[in-house]
Amino acid sequence: GENVEQHPSTLSVQEGDSAVIKCTYSDSASNYFPWYKQELGKRPQLIIDIRSNVGEKKDQRIAVTLNKTAKHFSLHITETQPEDSAVYFCAGSMNSGNTPLVFGKGTRLSVIA
Amino acid sequence: NAGVTQTPKFRVLKTGQSMTLLCAQDMNHEYMYWYRQDPGMGLRLIHYSVGEGTTAKGEVPDGYNVSRLKKQNFLLGLESAAPSQTSVYFCASRRAGSTDTQYFGPGTRLTVL
Repeated sequence: GENVEQHPSTLSVQEGDSAVIKCTYSDSASNYFPWYKQELGKRPQLIIDIRSNVGEKKDQRIAVTLNKTAKHFSLHITETQPEDSAVYFCAGSMNSGNTPLVFGKGTRLSVIA
Repeated sequence: NAGVTQTPKFRVLKTGQSMTLLCAQDMNHEYMYWYRQDPGMGLRLIHYSVGEGTTAKGEVPDGYNVSRLKKQNFLLGLESAAPSQTSVYFCASRRAGSTDTQYFGPGTRLTVL
């Protein structure tokens, strides 16, 4: 089955700097890769996703890139703000509709003002 | 439209007691999931359902049972609670279709003494 590895487990950046979180996956059949943000005491919420027919997707200060050959994808947050502090999870799944998402173990991002 | 709701929000059990966690969604989603979240372990899938009357095991199913008698509800049961089952439990749901957004409930914090 699919295995998703996420690095780093913790990340501290200065406000205004960029943050990058990387994930690798094992199953070449996987083709959907969402990213979730979980604030302290809250539920995970989708922030951006990418499908394997595109290499990059942007939404304001966040972007995700996908390298299918290397089987890795990354989340990029630019101009970080204190409210970006949270735990971020990557996930992957196959195109068949009933295959559950497999999550990475999460990255705790701290943005220092 | 309440989305995904979970009952109860908090619960303390003694070892050996039983309980049922209820997940409900009003989005007419076909797929529903139960995860547990422990520090440093990310979101681990316990059981899931791809439709009314169907269930399947996830990554960590031992000690748990589930039922999906109605499309909108997914129940997670602990027959004989153990301290190792102390965790935060999240329910999630999504529409059938490979890349539809998965929505999470607010979580249930369970402590087993």
